[in-house]
Amino acid sequence: GAVVSQHPSRVICKSGTSVKIECRSLDFQATTMFWYRQFPKQSLMLMATSNEGSKATYEQGVEKDKFLINHASLTLSTLTVTSAHPEDSSFYICSAAPHSGSAPYEQYFGPGTRLTVT
Amino acid sequence: RKEVEQDPGPFNVPEGATVAFNCTYSNSASQSFFWYRQDCRKEPKLLMSVYSSGNEDGRFTAQLNRASQYISLLIRDSKLSDSATYLCAVNNQNAGNMLTFGGGTRLMVKP
Repeated sequence: GAVVSQHPSRVICKSGTSVKIECRSLDFQATTMFWYRQFPKQSLMLMATSNEGSKATYEQGVEKDKFLINHASLTLSTLTVTSAHPEDSSFYICSAAPHSGSAPYEQYFGPGTRLTVT
Repeated sequence: RKEVEQDPGPFNVPEGATVAFNCTYSNSASQSFFWYRQDCRKEPKLLMSVYSSGNEDGRFTAQLNRASQYISLLIRDSKLSDSATYLCAVNNQNAGNMLTFGGGTRLMVKP
């Protein structure tokens, strides 16, 4: 149980284009999903918290107009990198917790999406 | 000071050795603690939760010291396949389900 999928696993795009990444919880419902970014040899950095039915909460320094998050259902959240630039090239990973509410639970990660912007 | 800190390593140990990592956290309101394992170019995978009384899963033992605000992970009889980066993660109830990750400790087990 607690499987999270992510699509695509790898994408190469040209500078200025937009890229959509999907994150799905396959065997549980997740009212909250999280989006992280990880640059080579660096730690995971939380970008935003995606809440089903409401606006995402972005971490300081993350541009909400550039990284559009839509939590369309209890099993799907999408991250769209708009007008991507080479500095956006990174490993984007989503995670979800199989429970809702304020109680803290383990998070399970999707396999990640490696984005390369040329 | 970072909210969650780890020694980045690398820890180079021979096969069969016992190795321990610590992770300190600054928020005394933190309530849940986890260890994740991340292989190169892969996503983190939950290794184990850390309970107040300490817990063990095979060769892995996790402990929590609330007074000193750190958690530890002990790996006994290291295997080559244990080579990875180990991330600690901390949650406080006020942050909902959000986890704050440490920078990770890299372990390399050598033959």
